[in-house]
Amino acid sequence: EAGVVQSPRYKIIEKKQPVAFWCNPISGHNTLYWYLQNLGQGPELLIRYENEEAVDDSQLPKDRFSAERLKGVDSTLKIQPAELGDSAVYLCASSAGQYEQFFGPGTRLTVL
Amino acid sequence: AQRVTQPEKLLSVFKGAPVELKCNYSYSGSPELFWYVQYSRQRLQLLLRHISRESIKGFTADLNKGETSFHLKKPFAQEEDSAMYYCALKRPGNTPLVFGKGTRLSVIA
Repeated sequence: EAGVVQSPRYKIIEKKQPVAFWCNPISGHNTLYWYLQNLGQGPELLIRYENEEAVDDSQLPKDRFSAERLKGVDSTLKIQPAELGDSAVYLCASSAGQYEQFFGPGTRLTVL
Repeated sequence: AQRVTQPEKLLSVFKGAPVELKCNYSYSGSPELFWYVQYSRQRLQLLLRHISRESIKGFTADLNKGETSFHLKKPFAQEEDSAMYYCALKRPGNTPLVFGKGTRLSVIA
């Protein structure tokens, strides 16, 4: 079992450029989370999906961030345009409902 | 609103010494509390949860509702315990985790 898969692992872009992150959850996990982790901070929820439905996206900055989970399996998180302050680690996690959340390795984004 | 406070950013102890990583929370209901650990170059992983009342790698944590605390303890630290530790809270049900800022534990040989 590969666990939660994320790609890319690292991304460096210039500000105002778009960027996308991909996550493939553990097979059978219906709940998928995107967390943002700034340097020196704990992860903070951006958006939570139950199957293909976004059930909690109140912390997602919708002016520049978007996410989708079209078939209720893998998910993409996009930023357009990226700003310097978006430099952080983007974590994906999945769970079988209310049970343990398993985290991916994260994507470290650097915006220059 | 829920909040998790980990007052120490860095904790250094000698090998064999006792360890206590502090965690306090704020939540009006009955929370579920967790400790997550991230070893160097590895992903965040669950260490233990208060519901199971288990001991993992020699670590234990007791939920103290009166003091709203969930401190992580180990009687004898090992070098391999050096890692980043995050305390997290979850409302009952299918809800996201709310994390503290984390404590970096450094065990010195």
